[in-house]
Amino acid sequence: GENVEQHPSTLSVQEGDSAVIKCTYSDSASNYFPWYKQELGKRPQLIIDIRSNVGEKKDQRIAVTLNKTAKHFSLHITETQPEDSAVYFCAALSVGGGADGLTFGKGTHLIIQP
Amino acid sequence: GAGVSQSPSNKVTEKGKDVELRCDPISGHTALYWYRQSLGQGLEFLIYFQGNSAPDKSGLPSDRFSAERTGGSVSTLTIQRTQQEDSAVYLCASSLAQGNEQYFGPGTRLTVT
Repeated sequence: GENVEQHPSTLSVQEGDSAVIKCTYSDSASNYFPWYKQELGKRPQLIIDIRSNVGEKKDQRIAVTLNKTAKHFSLHITETQPEDSAVYFCAALSVGGGADGLTFGKGTHLIIQP
Repeated sequence: GAGVSQSPSNKVTEKGKDVELRCDPISGHTALYWYRQSLGQGLEFLIYFQGNSAPDKSGLPSDRFSAERTGGSVSTLTIQRTQQEDSAVYLCASSLAQGNEQYFGPGTRLTVT
């Protein structure tokens, strides 16, 4: 089955600086890679996703890059703000490949220092 | 429109009792997923329903766990003879189809004493 590794487990950055979270996956058949943000006591919410037919996707301050050859993908947040503080999860799925649900990384606790 | 809803929001039960958790997906979403999140941990996939099709149960942690989806809409996750290690937040998600954005419900926090 799929295995997703996520690093770092905790990341502290100064407000205004950039934050990068990295994930690797094991199943070359995976073709859908979402990122979820989870605030304390809340449900996970999708912030951006990427499919294997593109290498990069941006949405305002958030971007995701995918390297299929190396089987890793990264989340980039620029100009960080206090409201970016949360736990971020990466995930992978092989759509149509038999794996039925998302395989998640263990999460990164992002702390934005004022 | 309404999002994914789950009930109850909290459930405290004694070890050995059975519990039933309910999920109402977003109307029109054919795909429904159950995940489990233990304290401070990531999300563990349990089971997936596509419409009324029989699900692959291999992701369920033990044979004490079962799930069903009636009429392609509401789903229930049942845990029999609960154990303390079953304590977790059980999250349901739905999507238009597999591979589309999954929208999560608020979860049911299960505590087994």
